[in-house]
Amino acid sequence: ETGVTQTPRHLVMGMTNKKSLKCEQHLGHNAMYWYKQSAKKPLELMFVYNFKEQTENNSVPSRFSPECPNSSHLFLHLHTLQPEDSALYLCASSHQAGPNEQFFGPGTRLTVL
Amino acid sequence: AQSVTQPDIHITVSEGASLELRCNYSYGATPYLFWYVQSPGQGLQLLLKYFSGDTLVQGIKGFEAEFKRSQSSFNLRKPSVHWSDAAEYFCAVGAGGSYIPTFGRGTSLIVHP
Repeated sequence: ETGVTQTPRHLVMGMTNKKSLKCEQHLGHNAMYWYKQSAKKPLELMFVYNFKEQTENNSVPSRFSPECPNSSHLFLHLHTLQPEDSALYLCASSHQAGPNEQFFGPGTRLTVL
Repeated sequence: AQSVTQPDIHITVSEGASLELRCNYSYGATPYLFWYVQSPGQGLQLLLKYFSGDTLVQGIKGFEAEFKRSQSSFNLRKPSVHWSDAAEYFCAVGAGGSYIPTFGRGTSLIVHP
């Protein structure tokens, strides 16, 4: 499979659940990103990993926990989420972090009940 | 910090008509500029980018954009719109220390037959 893939594509969870989102890129990139896309809001950058090191954390609540075991995989661990966390979560990758073209996955549509 | 504004939330055009989507940025120096498109249920795809040089940039799918420093703008144009161009369009600016792009709120393009 090519490009950036994300699983699951849809997720419904309760506020007390723990779940994880997975992102995988087959492009040989060294930077990976998590974005949150909510209706009528700008795309929000959440986390950036460059060569497996976290370089950006945009004041994201601790109920979101990223993990980047290698340059090809990125996870977003979720626990005790709130209904306002319902959104489309997009993963992206680029050659390196910075002003480079980003390749996006299709996203995970998350609904928190 | 940099910012980017897309003044139009929705744009409606007839198929075959010309298109211009507006993007204004705020940054003291020359930024890196991008236009992305997002079709329903998909991630963002890069249409074109401007880093330096010729201020008229050609992209994929027949799109072009012009960087105008005096107006702090990077408007996207297409001479003849096709029904398949209906999508969400995002302008992004990379500037500051990390140069990781900041995205605008997006403009939704509706194409009438």
